[in-house]
Amino acid sequence: EVQLVESGGGLVQPGGSLRLSCAASGFTFDNYVMAWVRQAPGKGLEWVSAISGSGYSTYYTDYAKGRFTISRDKSKDTVYLQMSSLSVDDTAAYFCAKGSGSTWPYFFDSWGQGTLVTVSS
Amino acid sequence: EIVLTQSPGTLSLSPGEGATLSCRASQSVTNNNLAWYQQKPGQAPRLLIYATSSRAADIPDRFSGSGSGTDFALTITRLEPDDFAVYYCQQYGTSRTFGQGTKVEIK
Repeated sequence: EVQLVESGGGLVQPGGSLRLSCAASGFTFDNYVMAWVRQAPGKGLEWVSAISGSGYSTYYTDYAKGRFTISRDKSKDTVYLQMSSLSVDDTAAYFCAKGSGSTWPYFFDSWGQGTLVTVSS
Repeated sequence: EIVLTQSPGTLSLSPGEGATLSCRASQSVTNNNLAWYQQKPGQAPRLLIYATSSRAADIPDRFSGSGSGTDFALTITRLEPDDFAVYYCQQYGTSRTFGQGTKVEIK
């Protein structure tokens, strides 16, 4: 059974940084794209970033470029999202999602339960 | 960026009725790479449909997807109490974008 467990969320001040983690199990980690999708309170889903199975290719939505960095550690079957220069607009639940393949095109066939990031002074 | 517009915003229906949810893209979706997800309050999204019409594992056959190009639909026949939720479409042919969601609520 695929399991994705996020951690690292919390309260951070504007301009601050946070690193989210997603521990994966139940599948061959290296063979799949991993991604982060966020959802602001009461709003819809918004794709943030993704990383190929090999880790060589990364993708970011426009607002994440230059502020967020996605990475993966195959020795720990874990994907990370390092977030910096956070603003109140980044307040959201951040979901880790497993891609359907190792590279494009892919949809998200498994999701974690999410970790809440609150940016507030 | 491909913009996905879902309609209606809210669908009020009774258990046993059928539902048709629409997802319209601002430009053609490459290879009809369109998925549908279901999300219940406080839960993660769940994949229902991929590649426009393929059901994900363990998804009952009362859920079906159709469409091509810019117009897609999710049809739910005989709504069950567990089906009342928010549904999102997502295109993954050119980058990845989600629609804004359709809420299916109990009438």
